Amino acid sequence: NAGVTQTPKFQVLKTGQSMTLQCAQDMNHEYMSWYRQDPGMGLRLIHYSVGAGITDQGEVPNGYNVSRSTTEDFPLRLLSAAPSQTSVYFCASSYLWDRPFHSNQPQHFGDGTRLSIL
Amino acid sequence: RKEVEQDPGPFNVPEGATVAFNCTYSNSASQSFFWYRQDCRKEPKLLMSVYSSGNEDGRFTAQLNRASQYISLLIRDSKLSDSATYLCVVKNQGGKLIFGQGTELSVKP
Repeated sequence: NAGVTQTPKFQVLKTGQSMTLQCAQDMNHEYMSWYRQDPGMGLRLIHYSVGAGITDQGEVPNGYNVSRSTTEDFPLRLLSAAPSQTSVYFCASSYLWDRPFHSNQPQHFGDGTRLSIL
Repeated sequence: RKEVEQDPGPFNVPEGATVAFNCTYSNSASQSFFWYRQDCRKEPKLLMSVYSSGNEDGRFTAQLNRASQYISLLIRDSKLSDSATYLCVVKNQGGKLIFGQGTELSVKP
């Protein structure tokens, strides 16, 4: 059981480049989400999805795109990287509704991606 | 106003001290509440859920006041290993988790 797998762990980009951060989970979770974390800001929700084919914006969606073609995968795309997107990115997944014996673990997180935009 | 706000840190305490973290949330329809712990920008990990009646897990006690929209975490007999950032987290309708900015705790010998 791999849980949430997030790749890459580290990435350096030049301004204007595009890239995709990958996130996959094998727990059949309906809900998947992307956060970014900056010093003093906590985790801010970028985009989230409540199931395959359904995505919605979070608190800081600008500059990012997502898609959810399968239950397992939720990639995050940076279309034209900017220095302001330098951050640590976390992908997370959970059941949409509490299940018996699962309600004490609301979200499983990936290990994070440390992204630097030069 | 942020949807979830925590005490600004950092908190620097000696070993053995009792420390309390406070958190307020603005959405009265929030459904579930949690405290997470995060070490050195690693992924956040669930510390404990917060129940309406209050709950305790060893040295950790969590309280919820829905009327005041207030959550607290009390750590008794602090250990060096408790040093971390503590995140107050609120789950809204539809399963969205909203994180506070975190409060850093540093426990000194």
